[in-house]
Amino acid sequence: EIVMTQSPATLSVSPGERATLSCRASQSVRNFFLAWYQQKPGQSPRLLIYGASTRAAGIPARISGSGSGTEFTLTISSLQSEDFAVYYCQQYSAWPLTFGGGTKVEI
Amino acid sequence: QVQLVESGGGVVQPGTSLRLSCAASGFNFNNFGMHWVRQAPGKGLEWVAVIWYDGSNRYYADSVEGRFSISRDNSKNTLYLEMSSLRAEDTAVYYCARDPGVTTLNNRFDYWGQGTLVSVSS
Repeated sequence: EIVMTQSPATLSVSPGERATLSCRASQSVRNFFLAWYQQKPGQSPRLLIYGASTRAAGIPARISGSGSGTEFTLTISSLQSEDFAVYYCQQYSAWPLTFGGGTKVEI
Repeated sequence: QVQLVESGGGVVQPGTSLRLSCAASGFNFNNFGMHWVRQAPGKGLEWVAVIWYDGSNRYYADSVEGRFSISRDNSKNTLYLEMSSLRAEDTAVYYCARDPGVTTLNNRFDYWGQGTLVSVSS
């Protein structure tokens, strides 16, 4: 099983600041098979990024993904109020599909 | 628009069974693989199971293998999760989620339902 580890667990930032979230895999994730999701309280997760760096439909350009192998990053260039949420990475390189533990982005 | 609506959750005793349903609309259900993903209260996401678009293959997480069964009825646009021998650690919100691959699997999730809560307690 590929174990996904996200850091930090909580990130405190101010609106307008840049947020950088990290996701590390215990084994190499092949073919950039890495996705990011956003979840707000009481809501279902929402797909943000797939293929490590491709934005899903409707996702603003201030949200970007990068990385390869075992190290991946989600960057939000200028935090807006609607960006405060929990973010999860997920690998789809191997069974079972696994998620990281999440990073909470708070004000 | 794509809609996924789960139902069937509730409070059950350990060792009992429960069947969840997920009604799909707004897309050609026959062409898409479907997943169940769960989230224990206050915890992160855990993938549970997947079924191919035509029902020909299924995979399960080790934590539910042998106890849970995923199925689908393409004539009813409905996904199911049959859960048996339920344990306290199965307590979670269960989401159904669509795989974006058309007649294939991409193994990520582009649309999610609102979830249904299963609570296993004596």
